[in-house]
Order: sequence, then C-alpha cells, then structure tokens
Amino acid sequence: KQEVTQIPAALSVPEGENLVLNCSFTDSAIYNLQWFRQDPGKGLTSLLLIQSSQREQTSGRLNASLDKSSGRSTLYIAASQPGDSATYLCAVRPDGGATNKLIFGTGTLLAVQP
Amino acid sequence: DTEVTQTPKHLVMGMTNKKSLKCEQHMGHRAMYWYKQKAKKPPELMFVYSYEKLSINESVPSRFSPECPNSSLLNLHLHALQPEDSALYLCASSQDLLAGGPWGTDTQYFGPGTRLTVL
Repeated sequence: KQEVTQIPAALSVPEGENLVLNCSFTDSAIYNLQWFRQDPGKGLTSLLLIQSSQREQTSGRLNASLDKSSGRSTLYIAASQPGDSATYLCAVRPDGGATNKLIFGTGTLLAVQP
Repeated sequence: DTEVTQTPKHLVMGMTNKKSLKCEQHMGHRAMYWYKQKAKKPPELMFVYSYEKLSINESVPSRFSPECPNSSLLNLHLHALQPEDSALYLCASSQDLLAGGPWGTDTQYFGPGTRLTVL
C-alpha cells in the first residue's frame, strides 16, 4: 500500500530565505507526482506536476525534483515571501490502471515571517 | 479559465436532513472527483467520474450519493449523515484520467470546498 510522508510537518522561516520541503513515498511505481498548496479552509492550488520520467519541473520561484527510485521529491522555494505561507501537499498518482487516484502526503505547514 | 466552483461555501445540517453539494467546471474536463478532508489531514478520495460514469467509489457509505448529470456538473447528495461526517468537501476536475505531457491531462484542479457541519 502506497504511503506518502512529508517532513517537516511544520516550518517557520524568515522572509527572503530559501527553503526545501520534502516528500517521500514507499512505492516507486508512480505515474506522476504533484505539489499543491492549500490556504486555511480553502481548496488546493496545483503548483507543479512531475511525470515519472522527469527529474524536475520549475515554475517561477518554485522548483520540484523527483527521484523515483529512492521514493523522494523535494519542493524548493526561493526567496520566500509571507504570501507563501500555506500548507504544502504532495500527491502521487500510482502506476497501473486508467484511474487518476491521488494519494496525498501529510502536508507541511509553512509560515514565512515578515 | 481554470476555475472549479462549489456551492454552498458552508452548510449546517441535522442528521435527518437531506441536502446536496454542487460542483461546476467549464473547462471541458471529462473527469470529476469528490474528496473529503478532515481538519489537519490530507484529502481522501471518495468518488471519481469519467465521462459522466462512476469510475471509482472508495467504499463510501451510502448516505453519500454522487451524481453527474452532465459533463460540467457534479453533485453530492447527503442523507442521514453523522456528526463525524463534518469536514471540508472538495471537488476537483481534470481533462481526462490519462497521464501524459509535461503538465499532464490528469492534473487536477480543485474548487474552494464546502465546509459541512452535521449537528
């Protein structure tokens, strides 16, 4: 059974700092991995999606990497801003079948202090 | 436009009530999803519809009844709920169920959610 874990559970950094969020999964048989952010009481916003054949994806100040064989992904946020404060979730789509079922990680609550 | 809308934003209901949650998207997506999210927990998949047909039911109790009347709409009918069903209910859509491409036709776009409280 696929399990997705995110470390740390919570992180507080001063504004301007670069930071890394970690995501690990137990079964390397995945189609892709997606990173989301969620503001309190709100829905999820898709940030980046990495296909299983890719090593990384970039969007603005965000860079996500994927090491499928070791079951790890990282989300790098450059020059953090208070507006980046949110919960960050990673989710994997298991390999096999035509079903787009996402298995979410436990999330990292990020606070960027002004 | 990558917007998924959900109504109502908040819902309070008694255990004997019948209510419905509504989700709408106009992106031409053919896959739609219902998730349940308890406080400080990740979303858990409930149902998946593909081309208006139920593709996945994650062993959800029958007091939750999904409906996909057309390709843009997804409803979740609620009846005889329990207090432990109180949660944020999220709807999502994707172009298709198929993976592929740098962004992926299976990228899921989420709505803002309905905060449900069962008394």
